[in-house]
Amino acid sequence: DQQVKQNSPSLSVQEGRISILNCDYTNSMFDYFLWYKKYPAEGPTFLISISSIKDKNEDGRFTVFLNKSAKHLSLHIVPSQPGDSAVYFCAALFYGSSNTGKLIFGQGTTLQVKP
Amino acid sequence: DTEVTQTPKHLVMGMTNKKSLKCEQHMGHRAMYWYKQKAKKPPELMFVYSYEKLSINESVPSRFSPECPNSSLLNLHLHALQPEDSALYLCASSQGGQPQHFGDGTRLSIL
Repeated sequence: DQQVKQNSPSLSVQEGRISILNCDYTNSMFDYFLWYKKYPAEGPTFLISISSIKDKNEDGRFTVFLNKSAKHLSLHIVPSQPGDSAVYFCAALFYGSSNTGKLIFGQGTTLQVKP
Repeated sequence: DTEVTQTPKHLVMGMTNKKSLKCEQHMGHRAMYWYKQKAKKPPELMFVYSYEKLSINESVPSRFSPECPNSSLLNLHLHALQPEDSALYLCASSQGGQPQHFGDGTRLSIL
């Protein structure tokens, strides 16, 4: 039972254009959604997050949009740069009765930005 | 530079060996996590420690034994592992609802 899904295993875009990475979820109880970026031989690095009560959060070139009715979120990177080439994981955080929460990851999307 | 340090970076062990993975953070975070990541799969939560006490165990087999000696250190003791336990083991820490910071992982191979 995959609660967080990234249906596109890979995405290729030209430098300077917009990259749009998509993520779907099934559990309405998630409290936050996060995007992590992962280079080979490194751990995931936090990029940007959004609370479940918001519909947009922006940080520099990165914007995350949340559509709660569709249980869908997306990460927009504009303009895309070759250094953005990495695996991007969507993750959902559920607290429940825990003060630490549980982070559930999607399968990841490999982004390639071509010069 | 990662603020969560994991050692060793690589580990090869036989099925009868006992070894330990170590994780250290000096950010004052009071929650620490172990994840397992298989090739081309997402990280999967194994254990969560909150204020040095085990708060979540995701039904992990007993051949994996976590330990939190103090607020900066997290260990994962390994014993009698199986070949299917070969994976990247990631440690993370967080504080006060902030995003988790990950280490670069230990790549474990079981012969």
